[in-house]
Order: sequence, then structure tokens, then C-alpha cells
Amino acid sequence: SQTIHQWPATLVQPVGSPLSLECTVEGTSNPNLYWYRQAAGRGLQLLFYSVGIGQISSEVPQNLSASRPQDRQFILSSKKLLLSDSGFYLCAWSVDGGSPLHFGNGTRLTVT
Amino acid sequence: AQSVTQPDIHITVSEGASLELRCNYSYGATPYLFWYVQSPGQGLQLLLKYFSGDTLVQGIKGFEAEFKRSQSSFNLRKPSVHWSDAAEYFCAVGALFNTDKLIFGTGTRLQVFP
Repeated sequence: SQTIHQWPATLVQPVGSPLSLECTVEGTSNPNLYWYRQAAGRGLQLLFYSVGIGQISSEVPQNLSASRPQDRQFILSSKKLLLSDSGFYLCAWSVDGGSPLHFGNGTRLTVT
Repeated sequence: AQSVTQPDIHITVSEGASLELRCNYSYGATPYLFWYVQSPGQGLQLLLKYFSGDTLVQGIKGFEAEFKRSQSSFNLRKPSVHWSDAAEYFCAVGALFNTDKLIFGTGTRLQVFP
């Protein structure tokens, strides 16, 4: 069966520090991969999605970037965190663009 | 504009009572509709989905949802709520055969009293 791993579960970082969140999927090949951010009372915002290695689509301009160095690995990064980057970050995967999303357990990021 | 509205931010029910969570959408194409549930500090779990066929769909954990095209609604229901159902519920809509850009509602937090 397919599983998705996301880490770390929680992270506290100072303003201006770098960020790297990692997500890996097991049990499937060539999945679509997604990064969402969840802010209180605002639902989920799609940040990036990828349909293949090295293929990244960005949905909103921001202080973050994403990379897909391997088929089942998706990384969310920042060179310098802002206070506004605080939130709950969720990685997800789907078999293809027409299939439901399956989410990881999320990373709670607090920028101080 | 495409959007999903969950008008109830917070709902409180007694254990054993029936439940209905509202979801209204605005979407230009044939919609592909979902309900997800999120327990505190966790990711989202798919409850059910609809894209065609019978407008009443059954999901996991005893939930069901009814698609009403005329009302642009996809309300989630459960006949008897259990304390373990306390969580946040999200409705989402995407294009048929293209869920790369799902639009999520802002969620409804369900609290269950014994």
C-alpha cells in the first residue's frame, strides 16, 4: 500500500533562517506531489505541485520554493524565513491529476 | 470565480445526534467534489468523493453526502454522531479529471458533547 512521510512534525525557526521540509511517498511511481499551507480560518492554500522530476508549478508568489530531486521526494525550502511563513504545511500525493489527494501528517512551522 | 463556501465555522452537537455540514461551491466546469476530515495536528483524510452517478455517495466512518446541482451544494451528513467524529471537516472542489488545483473551503470545526 502507499504511504506518505512528512518531517519534521514540528519546527521552530528564527526569522531569517533557512528552511527545508521533506516529503516522501512509498508504494507508487510517478505520483503527482503537492505542498499546501494551512492557516487558521483560511482553509488550505496550494503552494506548489509537481507532475514529475524537476517539474514544479508555483501557485502563489512567495518566499518559498520547491524541488523534486527524485520521483517520490518533494522538498519545500526557503533561504530566509519570514514571520508570515508560520503555519501548518501539508504534503500530498495523487496517482494523477484526476485522482483524490492523499495527505501527510503535516509540519507545524513557527517562525519566531 | 471558483470558490467553496462552508458557512458554518463551528458546530456543536450531542453524541448520538444527527449531523449535517454544509458546502456550497461555485465552479465553471463539471465539478469533482470531496469531503476531507482532519483530526487535530494531523493531515487530511478523504471521507468521500463524487464526480458522477448516484448523487448520494457513501463514505467511510458512516458519512454520506448528497450532490445537488440545482443548489450547487454537497452537504455532508451522518445519522448518529460519535465522540470520535470531533474534528475539522473540509469540502473541496476540482475539475473533473483534474484535481491538481483543488479548491478547499475554510473548514467546519465539529465539537461533540457526551
